[in-house]
Amino acid sequence: SAVISQKPSRDICQRGTSLTIQCQVDSQVTMMFWYRQQPGQSLTLIATANQGSEATYESGFVIDKFPISRPNLTFSTLTVSNMSPEDSSIYLCSVRGGGGTDTQYFGPGTRLTVL
Amino acid sequence: RKEVEQDPGPFNVPEGATVAFNCTYSNSASQSFFWYRQDCRKEPKLLMSVYSSGNEDGRFTAQLNRASQYISLLIRDSKLSDSATYLCVVNPGGGYNKLIFGAGTRLAVHP
Repeated sequence: SAVISQKPSRDICQRGTSLTIQCQVDSQVTMMFWYRQQPGQSLTLIATANQGSEATYESGFVIDKFPISRPNLTFSTLTVSNMSPEDSSIYLCSVRGGGGTDTQYFGPGTRLTVL
Repeated sequence: RKEVEQDPGPFNVPEGATVAFNCTYSNSASQSFFWYRQDCRKEPKLLMSVYSSGNEDGRFTAQLNRASQYISLLIRDSKLSDSATYLCVVNPGGGYNKLIFGAGTRLAVHP
C-alpha cells in the first residue's frame, strides 16, 4: 500500500485566482494520477504525471488550466488556474500499488470551493 | 453510453439484509475490475478486486460475467458500518494506465 498526503485539505478561493495542490507519497512511484470529483459525481481522471516527462492529460483537460509538476518520484503538484465556480470540486491524488498490481490508492483529497 | 454504469441507489436496507449491486461496462477489452468503497467526505478505498472465477472476502462476494460485460457485488448480513458509496471500477486495458469509475451506488444500512 501507499500513504499519500495532500495539502491543503480544503480552500475557499476567489474566481480568477489559482491554487496549487501538493501531493506527497511515502514511497517512490513512477506514475501519479490526479482526479477530480465534482459534487455528487464519481471520479474523473485529469492527468497522469510521470517523473521526468510532461503530464498526459485526458480529454477535456488542458495544461494551461491544470499545470502539473512532478519534480521527483514522491511528489507532485496540480495547479487549478484562473478558477471559476465550476472548478469547485474535490481534487484527489492517486498512485498505483507496487508489485505489478493496478490497485490505486488515493490521498485524502483537497476540497476546493470557488466563489 | 457511459463507460461504466451503476444503479445510483440509494439502497436502504435493514441490518442483516443481503444486498446486491450491479455494474455494466462498455469496453469488451477491459482487463481488470474492482469494487471501491467511498465513505462520506473520504477518499475511495479498494474493497476488492473482481476475478473471472468470482471471489469472496468474508461477507462480500464479487462476480464477473465477461460475455455480458457485467460485474456484481453481493453483501451478506449487512452491518451499519457498510453504509457507504460503492464504486465499480474498470481498467480498460489497451495500454492505458487509467481506471474508469462508475458513478457509485449508495448504500444506507439502518438498525
